[in-house]
Amino acid sequence: NAGVTQTPKFQVLKTGQSMTLQCAQDMNHEYMSWYRQDPGMGLRLIHYSVGAGITDQGEVPNGYNVSRSTTEDFPLRLLSAAPSQTSVYFCASASARTEAFFGQGTRLTVV
Amino acid sequence: AQTVTQSQPEMSVQEAETVTLSCTYDTSESDYYLFWYKQPPSRQMILVIRQEAYKQQNATENRFSVNFQKAAKSFSLKISDSQLGDAAMYFCAYRSRLGQGAQKLVFGQGTRLTINP
Repeated sequence: NAGVTQTPKFQVLKTGQSMTLQCAQDMNHEYMSWYRQDPGMGLRLIHYSVGAGITDQGEVPNGYNVSRSTTEDFPLRLLSAAPSQTSVYFCASASARTEAFFGQGTRLTVV
Repeated sequence: AQTVTQSQPEMSVQEAETVTLSCTYDTSESDYYLFWYKQPPSRQMILVIRQEAYKQQNATENRFSVNFQKAAKSFSLKISDSQLGDAAMYFCAYRSRLGQGAQKLVFGQGTRLTINP
């Protein structure tokens, strides 16, 4: 029972590089979302999706792109990495009646 | 927009004692969920307890219980008989039950709990 699988666990990028954080869930949840965690600020919503083909911006969307072509997958793309994007990233999935289930997180460092 | 505030950045408690973590929130909605998540050093987000706003009874999960005061918009977590494994960062979170906000969690800043042996 995999739940939410998030890869990679760690990543170091140079400023200006691009990359994609992968997220997959096997619970048939309609809701998926990406959060970033910074010290003293809790988790903040980057982008979210209510179903395949539907995405929307959260609180801190700038510099990130998402798409949802299937129910299972919700990748997060960093278009041109900046040091301000150094953070821990979490993917989560949920249904209307359940709590959110989280991936293991990705620690990203941009140098 | 909803906000969640945890005013205690750090708390500590002796092993086997009881500790209460505070959380207040602001919303104009009447139907919502409140959660406490635990984040140990492994970084995994683990659900501790969940409360539906329409339920007057406070949720309880073994040694964990909440004091939900809807009118005061307060949602504190009580940990009884604290154990070393309870040491973690604890996050309070809000989620609308219906409509646009149902897909989003709003988190507090977190409280780091230390258990002293």
